[in-house]
Amino acid sequence: DADVTQTPRNRITKTGKRIMLECSQTKGHDRMYWYRQDPGLGLRLIYYSFDVKDINKGEISDGYSVSRQAQAKFSLSLESAIPNQTALYFCATNDRGTGELFFGEGSRLTVL
Amino acid sequence: AQTVTQSQPEMSVQEAETVTLSCTYDTSESDYYLFWYKQPPSRQMILVIRQEAYKQQNATENRFSVNFQKAAKSFSLKISDSQLGDAAMYFCAYRGSPSGTYKYIFGTGTRLKVLA
Repeated sequence: DADVTQTPRNRITKTGKRIMLECSQTKGHDRMYWYRQDPGLGLRLIYYSFDVKDINKGEISDGYSVSRQAQAKFSLSLESAIPNQTALYFCATNDRGTGELFFGEGSRLTVL
Repeated sequence: AQTVTQSQPEMSVQEAETVTLSCTYDTSESDYYLFWYKQPPSRQMILVIRQEAYKQQNATENRFSVNFQKAAKSFSLKISDSQLGDAAMYFCAYRGSPSGTYKYIFGTGTRLKVLA
C-alpha cells in the first residue's frame, strides 16, 4: 500500500457541486500539504498543516477549505466547484529529517 | 518571497546522451533545501535528488547529478546516459529554512523527451 493515499483518483463533477478530496498517510509525519498542478504552472500550494491545530493558507486558497481530522488525515474541500478548479491535486507529507516531500498518487478533478 | 524558475518548457535528448535541465531560484535565506522531482506519465511525483544549501559538494544519485551554484542561485540537473525511462516532467523545488516556513515552492517544470 502507498504511504500517502488519495481518494478519489479521478472525479468528474458539475459546477456548483461540493467535492471532498481525502488524503491519509502512514508515514507518521506531522506536516501535510495540498497542491494543485496545472499545465505550464507547476505545483501551487493550496493549504498546509503542521499539526491538527495548525492550518495555514497557501498561495491559492480561495475557493478551497481543508480539515485535519487527525495527524494522518488531511482533506480538501471545494464547497461549490467551478470549471477553473479542474486540475490535478496532490497531497504530500514532509519528512523533517531529510526535508523530502512524499506525494500521494494525485486526484484528477474535472468540473463541467 | 521565494521564486523558482525553470526556463526550458521542453527538452529532448538522444538515448545514451547527456542532458542538463536548468533551474534558478530567488531567496534571501542562507539555509534551504533544493530538490528535483520527476513526474512520469503515471503522474506519480518521485524524488530524484536533493541538495542542502550549506553543503558545497554537489549531490549525485547514480546517473543524476546537480550543479549547485549558491551565489548564482542556480541548481541544474544533469542526466547522464539517458534512458527511455527518463522521459518525464521534471520539477525543481525549493524549501526554506527551519526558522521560516516549511512551504515548498515549485518551478513550472521541464518536459524531457528521450529519443531512441
